[in-house]
Amino acid sequence: SYELTQPPAVSVSPGQTARITCSGDGLPKLYTYWYQQRPGQAPVTVIYKDKERPPGIPERFSGSSSGKRATLTISGVQTEDEADYYCQSSDTADSHRGWVFGGGTKLTVL
Amino acid sequence: EVQLVESGGGLVQPGGSLKLSCAASGFAFSGSAVNWVRRAPGKGLEWVGHIRSRTNNYATLYGASVRGRFTISRDDSKNTAYLQMNSLKIEDTAIYYCMSATTVWGRGTLVTVSS
Repeated sequence: SYELTQPPAVSVSPGQTARITCSGDGLPKLYTYWYQQRPGQAPVTVIYKDKERPPGIPERFSGSSSGKRATLTISGVQTEDEADYYCQSSDTADSHRGWVFGGGTKLTVL
Repeated sequence: EVQLVESGGGLVQPGGSLKLSCAASGFAFSGSAVNWVRRAPGKGLEWVGHIRSRTNNYATLYGASVRGRFTISRDDSKNTAYLQMNSLKIEDTAIYYCMSATTVWGRGTLVTVSS
């Protein structure tokens, strides 16, 4: 098993760009997924396979991955984007891979 | 409508058992893996385990904290997956979510383990 590391908190003002990083030794070889969880709600997939955006997710959400780091970028942050964000990848130790989550990043929109 | 609906949560004593269900509709459930994820109070998301599709022989895999106590199964004829939880511990208290097809999440069901 291995770990994914995220910053505990990121703060931005409305209209600014928020970048949330996720670091892990396996990321060069594995896809990263990003989930948003607002208080009291279920998680929502905002990015899958590093950079793909599901239908219905605003275009201001984008994902990228380079080397051991993946990044979720939210351009023109809105107050409704305030939430916890989690990255997820696979456990490189297993040939049949389980999931690993990062510790989560609390995005505060000031 | 594409959705997953969990049920079966509740209050159980330490050492007890509980079985959660995850009913799917609106998408190709039988061809998709089903993951169970939980969030304990004050903590982040934790992967519980998953079951793959028939194509992948219904293979299962579990997180370290539940391995040997929890069992995931599915009945594709009912478009439903299950999470059987045995030997429950206080630290298993959480909201349990099922997730499938990359983007479909249930609303969750609360499991409280307490005496």
